[in-house]
Amino acid sequence: DVQMTQSPSSLSASVGDRVTITCQASQGISNYLNWYQQKPGEAPKLLIFGASNLETGVPSRFSGGGSGTDFTFTISSLQPEDVATYYCQQYDALPPITFGQGTRLEIK
Amino acid sequence: QVQLVESGGGVVQPGRSLRLSCAASGFSFNAYGMHWVRQSPDKGLEWVAVISYDGIRKFYADSVKGRLTISRDNSKNTLYLQMDSLRVDDTAVYYCAKDRVSRSSWFIFDYWGQGTLVTVSS
Repeated sequence: DVQMTQSPSSLSASVGDRVTITCQASQGISNYLNWYQQKPGEAPKLLIFGASNLETGVPSRFSGGGSGTDFTFTISSLQPEDVATYYCQQYDALPPITFGQGTRLEIK
Repeated sequence: QVQLVESGGGVVQPGRSLRLSCAASGFSFNAYGMHWVRQSPDKGLEWVAVISYDGIRKFYADSVKGRLTISRDNSKNTLYLQMDSLRVDDTAVYYCAKDRVSRSSWFIFDYWGQGTLVTVSS
């Protein structure tokens, strides 16, 4: 199975800050990488698919990049409503698809 | 708007069975692959199974193969997960999720239900 390693596991930043989360795959997965946001008590929500494609209706402050084994997820200007846990998910070597362990984002 | 509503969760003893349902609305259910994904504090998010839009192709995570069975009834817009020989480590919130691409399974989950909690305990 492809292992997905996210870092950091938790992050605290101020409103307006630029925030970056990384996700590393244990083997190359081309651009078959999605990012999800999960707020407490809610289901995950798709933000980015295919490594860099913004899902419809998602604010443009969210972006993704990378290919192969190394990927990034960026919030250009952190907003209070962005407090959540963020997950990466690969869909290259399947099944099974696998998720990262999550990054908990808090406001400082 | 797309809605996915799971039901059927609860507390069950190890070795027993449970059937989850996911009622879908707001989209052409018979055109999309559907998935079950579970989440527990120990294992995080874990993909469980997928069924193709026509119900013909099914794939499972190794951890559930032979014990959990995914199915669908396109006439009722409903997805199912039959859970047999349940184990303590099957305890999780179970989500149904819709695939983003029609008539294919790309494993991009664009809509999720609210989840249903399954607790396996003696």
